[in-house]
Amino acid sequence: NAGVMQNPRHLVRRRGQEARLRCSPMKGHSHVYWYRQLPEEGLKFMVYLQKENIIDESGMPKERFSAEFPKEGPSILRIQQVVRGDSAAYFCASSLAPGQGSGGYGYTFGSGTRLTVV
Amino acid sequence: AQTVTQSQPEMSVQEAETVTLSCTYDTSESDYYLFWYKQPPSRQMILVIRQEAYKQQNATENRFSVNFQKAAKSFSLKISDSQLGDAAMYFCAYSLFGNEKLTFGTGTRLTIIP
Repeated sequence: NAGVMQNPRHLVRRRGQEARLRCSPMKGHSHVYWYRQLPEEGLKFMVYLQKENIIDESGMPKERFSAEFPKEGPSILRIQQVVRGDSAAYFCASSLAPGQGSGGYGYTFGSGTRLTVV
Repeated sequence: AQTVTQSQPEMSVQEAETVTLSCTYDTSESDYYLFWYKQPPSRQMILVIRQEAYKQQNATENRFSVNFQKAAKSFSLKISDSQLGDAAMYFCAYSLFGNEKLTFGTGTRLTIIP
C-alpha cells in the first residue's frame, strides 16, 4: 500500500514562473492537507481539501497561491509568479475523513517537495 | 488561536542516555490531540507518539513516552536509551480533532553523541 506520493521531490523555478506541486493521497484517504516549512521552522498549515471541495484555506496566502483536489487525479498546489520568499519545503498529508480511522495515526505525510526560487 | 511552543532549539544527549524534550501549548478547548513528530534529514515526517487530551494516562511507545500535564498545558517527550538513529528534528503538534489540521511548534534539533 503506497504512502502519500509527492512530486517532484525538488523543483527549481525562476522568479515570475509558475510552480505546480502534486500530491497523491494514500489509497482510501479522502482528505488532503498542504503545509509549508520555511528553513529552520516548523510546518505551517496552508489548506485542507476533500475531493472537489476546499474545506479550510485559512493558511493560504491571499494572492498567487491556489489548491485543488479534483474528482480524479492528484491534489495540486499551484504558485503563480513565484518569488524568492516562496522557497520552502511543501508537504502534503492525507487522512480518512475526520472522525473516522484512528485520529493522528490516520494522518500520513508525504516526503515533501523542496521548491527553490532563483 | 492555538499555539505550540518549543523552547529548546537544540538538545544533545549521550548515546544510551535519556533525554526530555519540552513542549507547551495554549488552547481554550478541552478535547484535543497532541503529537510528537520526528523529521530526520530525509525530510520525512514520522509520527512518534500521540496523546488524547481526555486520557489521563501518559502515552508510551517503546523507548518513547510523554509527560502530559493538562492543567499546565505541557507535553514533554522522553526518549530512553537514546540511539544514533534518534538524531533528528522533533516537532510537537496540536490538533483539535485527530484528523484535522495540525499546529506545529518550531522544533528541537536532537543530536546523539556516540
